Amino acid sequence: SQTIHQWPATLVQPVGSPLSLECTVEGTSNPNLYWYRQAAGRGLQLLFYSIGIGQISSEVPQNLSASRPQDRQFILSSKKLLLSDSGFYLCAWTLPVGTGVTEAFFGQGTRLTVV
Amino acid sequence: AQTVTQSQPEMSVQEAETVTLSCTYDTSENNYYLFWYKQPPSRQMILVIRQEAYKQQNATENRFSVNFQKAAKSFSLKISDSQLGDTAMYFCAFMKHELKDSNYQLIWGAGTKLIIKP
Repeated sequence: SQTIHQWPATLVQPVGSPLSLECTVEGTSNPNLYWYRQAAGRGLQLLFYSIGIGQISSEVPQNLSASRPQDRQFILSSKKLLLSDSGFYLCAWTLPVGTGVTEAFFGQGTRLTVV
Repeated sequence: AQTVTQSQPEMSVQEAETVTLSCTYDTSENNYYLFWYKQPPSRQMILVIRQEAYKQQNATENRFSVNFQKAAKSFSLKISDSQLGDTAMYFCAFMKHELKDSNYQLIWGAGTKLIIKP
């Protein structure tokens, strides 16, 4: 069965420090991968998605970047964190388009607090 | 652009009652999917139910069912015999699907906080 791992679960970082959040998927090949951010009491905002190794699409301009060094690994990064980067970050995956399976499966999330 | 609206920020019902969460969406697309996701206090996002727009029959999953009104662009979730474990944030989401798309993009509502009281 497929599983998704996201870490760390919580993170407190000072303003100006770097960030690296990691997400890995097991039990499937060539997934589409997504990074979302969820503000308190709000819905999800798509930050990045990837349909393959090295292929990253950004949905909103921001202080963050994403990379996909391996098929089932997706990394969210920042060189210098801002206070506004605080939030709850969720990694998700779907099967590729055309498989008939459209559900998104989510990691457990990372609560990031920038101080 | 597609939008999803959940007009009820918070709802509260007694255990064993039936509750309906509303969701409306705006799109010019004909092929799409609609979802209800549940986010309990653990914040793990869990799929509750899915509806394909081309299907007229409303989806059901045990105690969960939807009322899909395509012309009205409405997609409400009914939870029957509510249980304490149903306490969570519930999000309605829209997914456009075209063969030319390379990925699935979900558009999310702001969520409804549902509290089941003992």
